[in-house]
Amino acid sequence: DAGVTQSPTHLIKTRGQQVTLRCSPKSGHDTVSWYQQALGQGPQFIFQYYEEEERQRGNFPDRFSGHQFPNYSSELNVNALLLGDSALYLCASSLRTGNNSPLHFGNGTRLTVT
Amino acid sequence: AQSVTQPDIHITVSEGASLELRCNYSYGATPYLFWYVQSPGQGLQLLLKYFSGDTLVQGIKGFEAEFKRSQSSFNLRKPSVHWSDAAEYFCAVGARVYSGGGADGLTFGKGTHLIIQP
Repeated sequence: DAGVTQSPTHLIKTRGQQVTLRCSPKSGHDTVSWYQQALGQGPQFIFQYYEEEERQRGNFPDRFSGHQFPNYSSELNVNALLLGDSALYLCASSLRTGNNSPLHFGNGTRLTVT
Repeated sequence: AQSVTQPDIHITVSEGASLELRCNYSYGATPYLFWYVQSPGQGLQLLLKYFSGDTLVQGIKGFEAEFKRSQSSFNLRKPSVHWSDAAEYFCAVGARVYSGGGADGLTFGKGTHLIIQP
């Protein structure tokens, strides 16, 4: 049973560019959350998707957007990249209702903006 | 708004010694509390969680945590640490959880880096 998978594992982009990160949730999970973890910091909540809609959003600018597909996978898009967007981006999947299945995190995508 | 404070940035413990990692939270209602562990280059693994009921919670890998409402604390403990416990530990608080086990966006502390001395 595959857990949460994220791609790519590492990415280098230039300031001003756009980036798309991808996440496949754990089998059976229907909710995807995205977190940004800067070096030496705890993860910060970006947003959560359920039933293909953004259900909750943290304190992040509109440059950060996302999408959830019918198969529950998700994308995180960041436009007009800034140096400060360099971080580990973590995807977490969970189940809204049904059998108790706690939040599962992927290993993340390391984004470096130069 | 909710917040989490982990007062200790680094903690060094000898192998076999006991461990306590501190966590203080701020939240107006009944909190949902979590402890996660992160090894280098890895995602976060759930150690334990507190939703309600018994204030002493048992988790995986021999960890436990105690919820103290009067002190707004949720400290993590282990009676005897192993070298493999060296990692980053994060305390988190959530406002709402779902029957399926998921939760609204969590607020994490900045983490405590645990170093194990041989």
